[in-house]
Amino acid sequence: GENVEQHPSTLSVQEGDSAVIKCTYSDSASNYFPWYKQELGKGPQLIIDIRSNVGEKKDQRIAVTLNKTAKHFSLHITETQPEDSAVYFCAAPDMDTGRRALTFGSGTRLQVQP
Amino acid sequence: DAGVIQSPRHEVTEMGQEVTLRCKPISGHDYLFWYRQTMMRGLELLIYFNNNVPIDDSGMPEDRFSAKMPNASFSTLKIQPSEPRDSAVYFCASSPDREAEQFFGPGTRLTVL
Repeated sequence: GENVEQHPSTLSVQEGDSAVIKCTYSDSASNYFPWYKQELGKGPQLIIDIRSNVGEKKDQRIAVTLNKTAKHFSLHITETQPEDSAVYFCAAPDMDTGRRALTFGSGTRLQVQP
Repeated sequence: DAGVIQSPRHEVTEMGQEVTLRCKPISGHDYLFWYRQTMMRGLELLIYFNNNVPIDDSGMPEDRFSAKMPNASFSTLKIQPSEPRDSAVYFCASSPDREAEQFFGPGTRLTVL
């Protein structure tokens, strides 16, 4: 099945700095890579996703890059703000077993210091 | 739309009791997912349904866990008998497609004493 590894587990940055979170996956057939943000006491919420036919996608201060050859993808947040503080999860679908359900990374707790 | 609705939001029960968690997905979504979140194991998929039919239950930890989806607007996750190690936050999510945005509910925090 799919194995998704996420780093770092915690990340602290100053307001206005950039933050980068990285994930690797094992299933070369995976073709969809979402990122979710989870605020305290709430369920995860999709913030951006990318499909395997593109290498980069941007949405305002958030961007995701994908390297299919190396099987890794990254979340980039620029000009961080205190409201970006949350836990971020990457995910990839489990294709080789036929499940095609998402496997989530272990999460990154981002703290933006004002 | 009110989003995915889960009930109860909090449940405290004693070991050996039956627990039933409930979920109402977003109308029109064909997929429904049940997840469990703990500090040790992170976010784990337990089971998911497509058009009310269970597709993959390989994440269900053991026979004490069961899930049903009797119609497109309602699903339950039952634990019988419950054990302290079942303590976790259980999320329900729905989606229009398997590889599309999943909309998560607020979760049910289960504590088994």
